[in-house]
Amino acid sequence: DAGITQSPRYKITETGRQVTLMCHQTWSHSYMFWYRQDLGHGLRLIYYSAAADITDKGEVPDGYVVSRSKTENFPLTLESATRSQTSVYFCASSPGVHEQYFGPGTRLTVT
Amino acid sequence: AQKVTQAQTEISVVEKEDVTLDCVYETRDTTYYLFWYKQPPSGELVFLIRRNSFDEQNEISGRYSWNFQKSTSSFNFTITASQVVDSAVYFCALSEARQGAQKLVFGQGTRLTINP
Repeated sequence: DAGITQSPRYKITETGRQVTLMCHQTWSHSYMFWYRQDLGHGLRLIYYSAAADITDKGEVPDGYVVSRSKTENFPLTLESATRSQTSVYFCASSPGVHEQYFGPGTRLTVT
Repeated sequence: AQKVTQAQTEISVVEKEDVTLDCVYETRDTTYYLFWYKQPPSGELVFLIRRNSFDEQNEISGRYSWNFQKSTSSFNFTITASQVVDSAVYFCALSEARQGAQKLVFGQGTRLTINP
């Protein structure tokens, strides 16, 4: 089915572990984004990408790494997870200066 | 710097009442976009509307309407004859249109509960 998917949907990991959240979209949108949602903060941008091999930092990039070797995929890696990274993570895509379409989210718990 | 303020953290009304969700924004750009998203209890984010800074026409879509006023930097959302299915968290967001990069800045959201 066309759309934007995220995997896993739920993840529990331990402090210090590396974890990768996957995002895949089938619309061939140029732009892709990663947000985190925390109570009291709404959604905050972590990283975004304007095209394959082009990425840039958002508001809260520390502790995260992204890559985009293919237009359709935009994985987010927590290199050494911390409890403060417990959150719901949303991936989104957009064709340009338009609305963004969000994935279903990944609920990550760091113990 | 961009900022979006949704001062109403939670609103609770009885079904069929009208309800307005407030959104106030700050930006130094003359070209920008405003959005509303809905997050129902299932958790996904659903796009509702986009307005650009040059279009101050109000918009109506069924029971939903949006009032954009540049003079007060506000982009308010009204639900007429609310229904239980309207219960959700609603987010207002702002982006500055720079060379195609569109980074959304979200407000903190308003949790709307419609009671039967």
